[in-house]
Amino acid sequence: QVQLQESGPGLVEPSETLSVTCTVSGGSIRSNYWNWIRQAAGKGLEWIGRIDTSGGTSSNPSLKSRVAMSVDTSKNQFSLNLKSVTAADTAVYYCARVHLGYFYMDVWGKGTTVTVSS
Amino acid sequence: DIQMTQSPSSLSASVGDRVTISCRASQSIGTYLNWYQVKPGKAPNLLIFGVSTLRTGVPSRFSGSGSGTEFTLTISGLQPEDVAIYYCQHSYNTPYTFGQGTNVEMK
Repeated sequence: QVQLQESGPGLVEPSETLSVTCTVSGGSIRSNYWNWIRQAAGKGLEWIGRIDTSGGTSSNPSLKSRVAMSVDTSKNQFSLNLKSVTAADTAVYYCARVHLGYFYMDVWGKGTTVTVSS
Repeated sequence: DIQMTQSPSSLSASVGDRVTISCRASQSIGTYLNWYQVKPGKAPNLLIFGVSTLRTGVPSRFSGSGSGTEFTLTISGLQPEDVAIYYCQHSYNTPYTFGQGTNVEMK
């Protein structure tokens, strides 16, 4: 079955760019939508954005100016870049598969913790 | 953007109790309403999609109902393994948004 694995830097300095990659295994990345979600410690879930395998994207208006997403179908990976980070961007970052139809998230990665600190 | 409001923010119940969590959308979202369970240190797990369709493998004590703007997650017979935070989420359009979560604890 499809599995997702996030990989990230662990620590990012303020004002720098946070980059997280999600690797899809057990299935093709094609013909699906893929979401990024994050959860800061003690906080709720926050949707960051969605990408499809044609490169079409949609992102949270609260983050839109800082978010960039890309997909590499040859590597079965998709990526998130969040620029100009602050301590408020410290969170567990998840990738998830979006089921076409009702657009629920049925497969999630285990998450990667990214801390923004100098 | 569509706002999702859950209530209560936390609850404490005993084994076997019936637990109800409410979720309200700021506008009609049809049946594009999903529920997730989050246990400490774990990724969210999809429980219910399309308001009331139980994901395969989810115990039948979980059920969902509602339409339009008002939705409910019910646990009929709370079990110790149900201790978690539960989130509703709409997938009507982007930006997808989550409720603030309901922390379910055991008495």
